[in-house]
Amino acid sequence: RKEVEQDPGPFNVPEGATVAFNCTYSNSASQSFFWYRQDCRKEPKLLMSVYSSGNEDGRFTAQLNRASQYISLLIRDSKLSDSATYLCVVNEATGGFKTIFGAGTRLFVKA
Amino acid sequence: IAGITQAPTSQILAAGRRMTLRCTQDMRHNAMYWYRQDLGLGLRLIHYSNTAGTTGKGEVPDGYSVSRANTDDFPLTLASAVPSQTSVYFCASSDSGGSGELFFGEGSRLTVL
Repeated sequence: RKEVEQDPGPFNVPEGATVAFNCTYSNSASQSFFWYRQDCRKEPKLLMSVYSSGNEDGRFTAQLNRASQYISLLIRDSKLSDSATYLCVVNEATGGFKTIFGAGTRLFVKA
Repeated sequence: IAGITQAPTSQILAAGRRMTLRCTQDMRHNAMYWYRQDLGLGLRLIHYSNTAGTTGKGEVPDGYSVSRANTDDFPLTLASAVPSQTSVYFCASSDSGGSGELFFGEGSRLTVL
């Protein structure tokens, strides 16, 4: 089993739709969680951190479920500019920190 | 502020040749990392450095070496390139020892023939 697993997609949605991605992680001792966005042929950039209480940033909502070991990202009112690959990132504290990236979920938003 | 600068952005290399990918940051971050990204596999850590003068092995270190002579620079060297090292390489830095946000360079696309 991969340490961090994501559905690779692609998710094809119309503008204005709501779309949700899940990501599961295997290490119950994982400590911090993030969603990164990566545009085609570009570097990953932090989209948002994921807090235990859940957090929202505009149209984006991230949730953490420690009991089931998954994190989610919800995008409301999708825009064409949301088309990208979304990477789930998990930090494990193992002496230092070990950062593990999921392979990413591709999203295409179409007009 | 430039952030992280990588060079070259793209390179085609004959197998067996030596290649150094350069990475420089101007954010005074202590921690720096080299990742490779291959289709369907996500980003995999090659080597890292928690502070100037120290380095460590990541998930896929074989065939690669790094040095960290100062805070700003973290070059990655392929001593004798092989086709399986064809990939996109990203350098990253963090100011919180790996527990927080990673800042990435724009990537170096390497093709080994």
